[in-house]
Amino acid sequence: QITLKESGPTLVKPTQTLTLTCTFSGFSLSTSGVGVAWIRQPPGKALEWLALIYWDDDKRYGPSLRTGLTITKDTSKNQVVLTMTNMDPVDTATYYCAHRASGNYFNFFDYWGQGTLVTVSS
Amino acid sequence: EIVMTQSPATLSVSPGERATLSCRASQSVSSDLAWYQQKPGQAPRLLIYGASTRATGIPARFSGSGSGTEFTLTISSLQSEDFAVYYCQQYNNWPLTFGPGTKVDIK
Repeated sequence: QITLKESGPTLVKPTQTLTLTCTFSGFSLSTSGVGVAWIRQPPGKALEWLALIYWDDDKRYGPSLRTGLTITKDTSKNQVVLTMTNMDPVDTATYYCAHRASGNYFNFFDYWGQGTLVTVSS
Repeated sequence: EIVMTQSPATLSVSPGERATLSCRASQSVSSDLAWYQQKPGQAPRLLIYGASTRATGIPARFSGSGSGTEFTLTISSLQSEDFAVYYCQQYNNWPLTFGPGTKVDIK
């Protein structure tokens, strides 16, 4: 059974760095083909893919408009970490981590965490 | 970046009726298209991938079609639990992009 859970601060100040952790179970990020992504959703708005890390440490990042993203993995802890620098109120959103479906070129997401709401405000 | 658009923004449907949702890509994504359902306060749920393949456990009343730039999600007979927001996502090109969503509400 695959589960994912996001953790991190609920409130950050503008210009601060956000660090979110995704802790998962039911799969290993050392297994070929596995990937974990971060996706966010501002209140009342659409989903936005941010980053994806693969089992082989290949990394992909989302919109070029949102710079300052870093995704890393700790295979031994079954965790994926997302850091976002220079946070702004427009970064207020629910942040989800999600499991990439297994299969070549299958960059869609079959399991999601519950999400964590991060508010950026002074 | 491939821009995804969805129409209509809101679809009002009576229970038991058929719902047809559209998704369009700004350039061809082949069949690399997924659909998700999201209910208030919940994470998205994968419904369809490969434009037409139902994900595990998804009822047969959900079906997807299309390729290239035009895609459709059809819910053959709406149940009360189907009232939600539906998003399409292309995975043919980086960055991965989602559509703005279609809200299906009760007529």
